[in-house]
Amino acid sequence: DGGITQSPKYLFRKEGQNVTLSCEQNLNHDAMYWYRQDPGQGLRLIYYSQIVNDFQKGDIAEGYSVSREKKESFPLTVTSAQKNPTAFYLCASSNLRTGGEQYFGPGTRLTVT
Amino acid sequence: DAKTTQPTSMDCAEGRAANLPCNHSTISGNEYVYWYRQIHSQGPQYIIHGLKNNETNEMASLIITEDRKSSTLILPHATLRDTAVYYCIVPPLYNTNAGKSTFGDGTTLTVKP
Repeated sequence: DGGITQSPKYLFRKEGQNVTLSCEQNLNHDAMYWYRQDPGQGLRLIYYSQIVNDFQKGDIAEGYSVSREKKESFPLTVTSAQKNPTAFYLCASSNLRTGGEQYFGPGTRLTVT
Repeated sequence: DAKTTQPTSMDCAEGRAANLPCNHSTISGNEYVYWYRQIHSQGPQYIIHGLKNNETNEMASLIITEDRKSSTLILPHATLRDTAVYYCIVPPLYNTNAGKSTFGDGTTLTVKP
């Protein structure tokens, strides 16, 4: 069953701790993305990657880091430098060669207290 | 990427057509218009995309004006399950930014019984 998965669905952390959000896809897509969504607002791009071992900052990359060691995986680390990390995090992937539409995972809701 | 402008909210009666407008007056000649929707607390779902011709799939129709400065997403027979936030985006084409998308606040469509 092809798709994009994110885990866990809900995550709770104490302030000052780094936390890593998982994103895996088996769609054979080259491109992957991380977005942040705050209540009542649209999606903001954190990082994106068009190919393995390469990624670019999006609009709000400060306080976040990513890696792309495998085509299928694009984990996001929310570091302690992120001033307001509580949010809904969405991962997506796309095949830029066949249209570019993005397919999203179910999201991870992170709460930091 | 080209900026898009959408109404903040719209209502539609169940069973009637929902017509959601989007302005993208700075769109470039080869940039596509994409539509997504997000049902509360879920990841966005791709609906349809188009370049200059009208497009139709099992979910919706997309009408793009001849000058390509605006488009309309049409849900022909809206149901209560179509209540969602609808995003219209125009991602850039250039290699380093290809696929990098800016999701604004979208249009909140409420389908009423």
